Amino acid sequence: KQEVTQIPAALSVPEGENLVLNCSFTDSAIYNLQWFRQDPGKGLTSLLLIQSSQREQTSGRLNASLDKSSGRSTLYIAASQPGDSATYLCAVRPDAGGTSYGKLTFGQGTILTVHP
Amino acid sequence: SQTIHQWPATLVQPVGSPLSLECTVEGTSNPNLYWYRQAAGRGLQLLFYSVGIGQISSEVPQNLSASRPQDRQFILSSKKLLLSDSGFYLCAWRGQGAGGYTFGSGTRLTVV
Repeated sequence: KQEVTQIPAALSVPEGENLVLNCSFTDSAIYNLQWFRQDPGKGLTSLLLIQSSQREQTSGRLNASLDKSSGRSTLYIAASQPGDSATYLCAVRPDAGGTSYGKLTFGQGTILTVHP
Repeated sequence: SQTIHQWPATLVQPVGSPLSLECTVEGTSNPNLYWYRQAAGRGLQLLFYSVGIGQISSEVPQNLSASRPQDRQFILSSKKLLLSDSGFYLCAWRGQGAGGYTFGSGTRLTVV
């Protein structure tokens, strides 16, 4: 059974810092990995999607890397801003084979607070 | 472009009352559809998924049911709500192939 762990559970940083959020998964047979952002009381917003054959994806100040063999992904946020404050979730989609139907397994999330 | 709509945004229901949450997707066909629940302080739990009209798979035994009467419509229901059904319910869709998931804005359900 796939298990996804996110470290740290919470992170508080001053504005302008570069930061790294970590995600690890126990079963390396994944199809892809997706990073989401969730604001309080809101739905999930997709940030980055990394296919299993890719090493990294970038969008603006965000960069996500994937090391499938070691079961790790990191989300790098450059020059953090107060508007980045949210919960960040990583989720893995199992390999396309079998009867998984692409059901995501989520980590518990990292609560990020960026203070001015 | 594809969009997903979920309603209502907030719902307060008494114990024992019925429930119907609706989710619709626009701009795509034959999506895979999912219902997740997020309890306070806990992660997301997959409740149901559907790969086609009338095809529903349940992930956990519970007081809820799901239906997919049309290709882009997914409904979460209950005949009699329990206090433990309170939570944040999220609908999601994924297209065929290697694409990612897109989530709706969620429904906050409070059973009193």
